Amino acid sequence: AQSVTQLGSHVSVSEGALVLLRCNYSSSVPPYLFWYVQYPNQGLQLLLKYTSAATLVKGINGFEAEFKKSETSFHLTKPSAHMSDAAEYFCAVSRPPSGAGSYQLTFGKGTKLSVIP
Amino acid sequence: EAGVAQSPRYKIIEKRQSVAFWCNPISGHATLYWYQQILGQGPKLLIQFQNNGVVDDSQLPKDRFSAERLKGVDSTLKIQPAKLEDSAVYLCASSLLWGRTGKNIQYFGAGTRLSVL
Repeated sequence: AQSVTQLGSHVSVSEGALVLLRCNYSSSVPPYLFWYVQYPNQGLQLLLKYTSAATLVKGINGFEAEFKKSETSFHLTKPSAHMSDAAEYFCAVSRPPSGAGSYQLTFGKGTKLSVIP
Repeated sequence: EAGVAQSPRYKIIEKRQSVAFWCNPISGHATLYWYQQILGQGPKLLIQFQNNGVVDDSQLPKDRFSAERLKGVDSTLKIQPAKLEDSAVYLCASSLLWGRTGKNIQYFGAGTRLSVL
């Protein structure tokens, strides 16, 4: 079975500081992994994805994530936080279908990022 | 390109009433998903359509929830009768491709926030 654990439901960083949001996954097959961002009262927007190519994945808005199979991790980082990065971030793993369905996403519980001026 | 459209944005009802949500996916996207996002949790898949057919509804509470996508485009999700625990944001997502590919990205609408009193 596939699952995702996001460590820390709330992370606060100062503007300009490093952002590190942690995600560990469990998957019975080689995983596809995703990070989504959700701004208040909006839907989820894809930040980046890992689909078995390069292990260091670059996304939008200066974010990147590194797939580490040995650690079953896919942590999200950004060198310098901006006020506009304040949002909730969700890590997700793609899992095999149940029955005849297509691959689906299992989400973590999310990490709310606050940026302090 | 227009995104995934959902309406209404907000809905307040009393328990035991019925409610319906509407979703219009991105043009040409064959796969459509409905998710339930309870406060403080990640989205949970309720049902997945491929064109106008259901491919996975294993997590849909069928005694009260129903969904349809009659012409393979728009979709409606209905709850009848609603319970207090149905208070959540209902997200619709669509994707272009079928199956597990790196290009099979899900695009999300802004969601409908349901409050059951």
